[in-house]
Amino acid sequence: SYVLTQPPSVSVAPGKTARITCGGNNIGSKSVHWYQQKPGQAPVVVVHDDSDRPSGIPERFSGSNSGNTATLTISRVEAGDEADYYCQVWDITSDHVFGTGTKVTVL
Amino acid sequence: EVQLVESGGGLVKPGGSLRLSCAASGFTFNSAWMNWVRQAPGKGLEWVGRVKSKTDGGTTDYAAPVKGRFTISRDDSKNTLYLQMNSLNTEDTAVYYCTTSKWLRGNFDYWGQGTLVTVSS
Repeated sequence: SYVLTQPPSVSVAPGKTARITCGGNNIGSKSVHWYQQKPGQAPVVVVHDDSDRPSGIPERFSGSNSGNTATLTISRVEAGDEADYYCQVWDITSDHVFGTGTKVTVL
Repeated sequence: EVQLVESGGGLVKPGGSLRLSCAASGFTFNSAWMNWVRQAPGKGLEWVGRVKSKTDGGTTDYAAPVKGRFTISRDDSKNTLYLQMNSLNTEDTAVYYCTTSKWLRGNFDYWGQGTLVTVSS
């Protein structure tokens, strides 16, 4: 089965840049989507298809994908960005797969 | 405005059954691929299964842990998605979300607020 690995936690000071990685075998060949989930709420897509932002998502959220690692970058981090973040892909053998999730803490 | 409202969650004993519903509005339901995604307490997200639009065949696919026990169906005349869950076990305890998607490689666009299913004796 296809596995996506994320760091359990990332801590960042306000105004700095947070980078969340998502590792998977040859993930660069897949379309990666990123979701933000705040406590008690449903997930919200913040980046889709590696690097596209839905309307309403700040430009501070960006994504990249190459080789075996996809990355979600949050620039100029704000307190409101504190949340869990999940990557997700579709794989021909495993269907939809979510990453293990990363808790972003704003110091 | 797109709305997805799940209902039907609750407490059920191991081995029991439950049917969840998801009422959709604000978009063309009969054209949408619909999915169920679940999240066990304090854990990550897990895709449960999908039903394609009837124009795309209306077929269903399931994750391995639920295959043979769960059945996804849709009633396009009522704009409603269903999840029939049988032979439930404690590992099925989770918040169940219905979500939309456009195609296999696409993201999950819209999510409901979720409904909690607790399997416990």
